[in-house]
Amino acid sequence: GNSVTQMEGPVTLSEEAFLTINCTYTATGYPSLFWYVQYPGEGLQLLLKATKADDKGSNKGFEATYRKETTSFHLEKGSVQVSDSAVYFCALSQGGSGGSNYKLTFGKGTLLTVNP
Amino acid sequence: GAGVSQSPSNKVTEKGKDVELRCDPISGHTALYWYRQRLGQGLEFLIYFQGNSAPDKSGLPSDRFSAERTGESVSTLTIQRTQQEDSAVYLCASRANNEQFFGPGTRLTVL
Repeated sequence: GNSVTQMEGPVTLSEEAFLTINCTYTATGYPSLFWYVQYPGEGLQLLLKATKADDKGSNKGFEATYRKETTSFHLEKGSVQVSDSAVYFCALSQGGSGGSNYKLTFGKGTLLTVNP
Repeated sequence: GAGVSQSPSNKVTEKGKDVELRCDPISGHTALYWYRQRLGQGLEFLIYFQGNSAPDKSGLPSDRFSAERTGESVSTLTIQRTQQEDSAVYLCASRANNEQFFGPGTRLTVL
């Protein structure tokens, strides 16, 4: 079955540091890949997505590239801010002819804390 | 329009009692999902609705868990005879195209 493995945290960085959170996946076919973010006290929200190989998703200075050859979708940001402190989840889904009804398979989440 | 809403936001119950959790999806979204987020275990898929039918119930952990959806709108997740291991945040999402929109969740605590 499908699975997602992401870097375990917690990750603690100083403001303006470079961020990488690693994510790799196992799936048959061509899943869509997502990063979701959960800010303290808030619900889960989509940060970015990529639906095919070599696509780059980007939002709020974050980006991730769908690498089929390495089955990876690593999240990066060049300069983090205190407001980026949150839990980040990597996820995949498949649907249509690929089955799975677009249900999401999540990694365990990575807690990021950014200090001023 | 409004996003996905869930109620109650918090529920504390005693072991053995039944609970009902409610989800109101975004209007017009025919696909609806329930997930569970247990501490330290990430999010787990529970059940998927397309309209009022549930073609994928593969994530329901036991027969104590059931869900229904009426009018292609509201969905209710019912847990019978709750156990302490049912304590978690239960999240509902509705989908448009390939994007799921999540509600704020219901935090269930079973004492």
